[in-house]
Amino acid sequence: DTAVSQTPKYLVTQMGNDKSIKCEQNLGHDTMYWYKQDSKKFLKIMFSYNNKELIINETVPNRFSPKSPDKAHLNLHINSLELGDSAVYFCASSQGGPRTDTQYFGPGTRLTVL
Amino acid sequence: DQQVKQNSPSLSVQEGRISILNCDYTNSMFDYFLWYKKYPAEGPTFLISISSIKDKNEDGRFTVFLNKSAKHLSLHIVPSQPGDSAVYFCAAYSGYALNFGKGTSLLVTP
Repeated sequence: DTAVSQTPKYLVTQMGNDKSIKCEQNLGHDTMYWYKQDSKKFLKIMFSYNNKELIINETVPNRFSPKSPDKAHLNLHINSLELGDSAVYFCASSQGGPRTDTQYFGPGTRLTVL
Repeated sequence: DQQVKQNSPSLSVQEGRISILNCDYTNSMFDYFLWYKKYPAEGPTFLISISSIKDKNEDGRFTVFLNKSAKHLSLHIVPSQPGDSAVYFCAAYSGYALNFGKGTSLLVTP
């Protein structure tokens, strides 16, 4: 009965490929996020959607495109994968707007680009 | 440009003793701070938070202290237990986004 789930957990692919990571939350939250944890272990926000509307779009290459078909899902599509995209990607969700008390994180997707 | 800093990458503490994890921040606009705990191969889980209008918040064995003038917060775990061994991230809100520190890996030894 996972609150925030991500698929796949591991993703190994070649440079130049296009891949997607899916995220689903069953908490009824309004806001969802994508974070990237790089090799230096920094966790950085990439995108945030509130009620299917994009509210945060950090300096991320436009090869990365989030898609929110409904409030419970926020998928991350990555085109033309590069070596530097290798990282762990975490999806999260929270109820409401800024400075919400708690963001709930998924287990992460480890992406390895060869 | 790291606005939340955790300068100790690791900490080892004996079971039953106090663990103190430190965090510094540079942005004086931050007004809400959180600590997250992360086990390997799992996502971060919320532990405790503090608003800038307070200087202390306690939840069981966990207490967070905030020193606004020093732009410093700390997490105290008393008594430490082996199950507390994990990476602890300090975070602060900037709008909707959480700004995370790099984390401190805590090892509690029996």
